Amino acid sequence: EPEVTQTPSHQVTQMGQEVILRCVPISNHLYFYWYRQILGQKVEFLVSFYNNEISEKSEIFDDQFSVERPDGSNFTLKIRSTKLEDSAMYFCASRPLAGDTPYEQYFGPGTRLTVT
Amino acid sequence: GQQLNQSPQSMFIQEGEDVSMNCTSSSIFNTWLWYKQDPGEGPVLLIALYKAGELTSNGRLTAQFGITRKDSFLNISASIPSDVGIYFCAGWEIQGAQKLVFGQGTRLTINP
Repeated sequence: EPEVTQTPSHQVTQMGQEVILRCVPISNHLYFYWYRQILGQKVEFLVSFYNNEISEKSEIFDDQFSVERPDGSNFTLKIRSTKLEDSAMYFCASRPLAGDTPYEQYFGPGTRLTVT
Repeated sequence: GQQLNQSPQSMFIQEGEDVSMNCTSSSIFNTWLWYKQDPGEGPVLLIALYKAGELTSNGRLTAQFGITRKDSFLNISASIPSDVGIYFCAGWEIQGAQKLVFGQGTRLTINP
């Protein structure tokens, strides 16, 4: 069964460093997302991406964040200068735009980002 | 943005018992999704609901989309140890932003 994959599973970085989190969405999906979850809290929307551009972003997604689809399969989230409060699980998700289940969104296993 | 209120926040039950949890919103959602999350993993989609009043089952799980489109519930029958985890409701906003809004989650603990 197709699934969203993410790498790395765990990333430790020092405050101020840049990190890139990588995702491979399900191949026939057209809408891509990043969410984050601070330990013990609910999942929070960061950004949605469609047709090679951001379609929606939350107030969390400030200028330190960027997303890119560098090729036909990868979808990346970059944090330019990490802060302690960026420590969280980051989930990539994707969904098909059409078909029988256009609103069924599937999540990857997550990347645990620890900023020290 | 729209908010989802999920309850209860936690449940402690005996194996074999039935479980019920629900989600409410002050505004309308056009699709409800229920996810289960195990520790350190991503949310796994359990059930998707598309129409008001819809009742859908997935094995021992049953979920309903409220007729007002402002609520949904999830039932688990005859709970087993692997049902332990956090259950999240999520909804697609009816207008504008194409994003999922999540409830706060219900943490289910099962005593064998």
